[in-house]
Amino acid sequence: SQQGEEDPQALSIQEGENATMNCSYKTSINNLQWYRQNSGRGLVHLILIRSNEREKHSGRLRVTLDTSKKSSSLLITASRAADTASYFCAMNYGGSQGNLIFGKGTKLSVKP
Amino acid sequence: EAGVAQSPRYKIIEKRQSVAFWCNPISGHATLYWYQQILGQGPKLLIQFQNNGVVDDSQLPKDRFSAERLKGVDSTLKIQPAKLEDSAVYLCASRNQANYGYTFGSGTRLTVV
Repeated sequence: SQQGEEDPQALSIQEGENATMNCSYKTSINNLQWYRQNSGRGLVHLILIRSNEREKHSGRLRVTLDTSKKSSSLLITASRAADTASYFCAMNYGGSQGNLIFGKGTKLSVKP
Repeated sequence: EAGVAQSPRYKIIEKRQSVAFWCNPISGHATLYWYQQILGQGPKLLIQFQNNGVVDDSQLPKDRFSAERLKGVDSTLKIQPAKLEDSAVYLCASRNQANYGYTFGSGTRLTVV
């Protein structure tokens, strides 16, 4: 299976703290994407990092990619209660199809 | 720009009944996807369209699931007959050829009883 694995499965932190979520995958990727899903809602695209990139930033989000270890991490700095959601990594294994294979997600709870 | 529209928002049916879901992607997005998300899991791709042609339906249970995208715009996903294990959220997404980010709809939550 090409599905990714997220770690941890669940994370509970206090507002203002940083949250780090990890994702591992099995075969070479074209790019890796992170999505957020609020309970009962669709997924929202957060950030995309290509296989030749090592780090990307977007606001309070920082994503790293280590292709030698086949892993990525998502860091949310200065978390807010509104960041409470499930976070998924999704791997694009290339080709013209551009299909995304999603991991199982990390459920983040930020307590005010 | 308007988002990806899906309907209905919720659906409850009995097993062996049929059901259909509708998706209207973002205007101009050539690529459309249907994903199935079972509670507590990540989304699983069911089918991908490029305009009105099927690119990948390798994970679509074709004995009971069917999908079409007439005229390369709206799409419908049908289940006939439904099984209990089909209870899930069905997500539609579309993608602009120029970038790789997907835009997802809010999904249809299906409960089969």
